[in-house]
Amino acid sequence: DGGITQSPKYLFRKEGQNVTLSCEQNLNHDAMYWYRQDPGQGLRLIYYSQIVNDFQKGDIAEGYSVSREKKESFPLTVTSAQKNPTAFYLCASSIRRGRDVGNTEAFFGQGTRLTVV
Amino acid sequence: EDQVTQSPEALRLQEGESSSLNCSYTVSGLRGLFWYRQDPGKGPEFLFTLYSAGEEKEKERLKATLTKKESFLHITAPKPEDSATYLCAVQAEGSQGNLIFGKGTKLSVKP
Repeated sequence: DGGITQSPKYLFRKEGQNVTLSCEQNLNHDAMYWYRQDPGQGLRLIYYSQIVNDFQKGDIAEGYSVSREKKESFPLTVTSAQKNPTAFYLCASSIRRGRDVGNTEAFFGQGTRLTVV
Repeated sequence: EDQVTQSPEALRLQEGESSSLNCSYTVSGLRGLFWYRQDPGKGPEFLFTLYSAGEEKEKERLKATLTKKESFLHITAPKPEDSATYLCAVQAEGSQGNLIFGKGTKLSVKP
């Protein structure tokens, strides 16, 4: 079955620790995204990547880092510089059609809930 | 500034009581409007894409419509299993496919 797999489902981070969230897709999508979801707020964009070896900051990139070495994978690292990392993190992917046309609908993974302990 | 506003924040319906959810948007060139359903603790599930004013899409008890300033998600004769948070998102011109999300409408359907 094609889809997006996020792991782990639950993650606990100690103060000052870096943690990495995994996102893998087998949909052959070029574009991948990371969003953060907090209670009472809409999804906010952290980072996005349109092609391999290229990525851009979203609206709330501070304290996060990403890599895109393979088309299928887009891991997110939450660094110690992120002061309020407790949240629900969602990875998504879509078909890239070009700047003038826009991308197709995004499909989401099941999320990783990160808690600072 | 591109913006998406959903109303109401929460909606309680009796089973079989039809209603509509609203998504108002302000974007500099709409490339697409998307509706998602999200269950607690899960990722959003894609429902519909609308690209131009006047377009309509249907799936079972759900029907999405689009005007130049807003979209409606009509729910006809809802069932308890339709209870979820419904998210609206827009893709703006030049956004490289990124989505701007509203805060969602939490729908509860009582039997």
